[in-house]
Amino acid sequence: AQKITQTQPGMFVQEKEAVTLDCTYDTSDPSYGLFWYKQPSSGEMIFLIYQGSYDQQNATEGRYSLNFQKARKSANLVISASQLGDSAMYFCAMRDDGAGNMLTFGGGTRLMVKP
Amino acid sequence: NAGVMQNPRHLVRRRGQEARLRCSPMKGHSHVYWYRQLPEEGLKFMVYLQKENIIDESGMPKERFSAEFPKEGPSILRIQQVVRGDSAAYFCASSPGFLVNTEAFFGQGTRLTVV
Repeated sequence: AQKITQTQPGMFVQEKEAVTLDCTYDTSDPSYGLFWYKQPSSGEMIFLIYQGSYDQQNATEGRYSLNFQKARKSANLVISASQLGDSAMYFCAMRDDGAGNMLTFGGGTRLMVKP
Repeated sequence: NAGVMQNPRHLVRRRGQEARLRCSPMKGHSHVYWYRQLPEEGLKFMVYLQKENIIDESGMPKERFSAEFPKEGPSILRIQQVVRGDSAAYFCASSPGFLVNTEAFFGQGTRLTVV
């Protein structure tokens, strides 16, 4: 069964506007972690932000914030003030602590920032 | 503090040859994970190793693929008798221990092309 779902294969956003990338997950374990990664055209996987299942507050890292809605099992990434360099693939991933220490990835969302 | 180092960055092999991919974890990290990314897909877990031990190899193909993480030196992912379907990006990540990572950093990946 798929554990991580990213329903937006591709999205456009105007430069300087905010954008939300959706991610829903499925787990029965109370302890888990959620990650977002950026993969530019050069191919490397860049860690952006982490949210633990017991964290009380939504994670933020600079222009990135994670809208964590535990009851809905969603962990959407919000990028504020989009820049041209934000154009990339974005992957949501989950570490299910009851299933080992590995990450399960969604299929990704390709974000394109328009000037 | 150097990050996760993978080499080579690009590897071309003819069908039937062997491919050896190397991963040096971050300093102080004793756990290594290998993932494979097929074109236009997210990363898929392959194997999780601790020094001299395979912790979880549930994502490894049963034939032709093997991995090791010796006491000294890098972790090696070995693919014997490569086929065109093995063409992919192979990523390595490391962590200091089990269930410790609130951040998971990846190397830059090795892009294997089988011709």
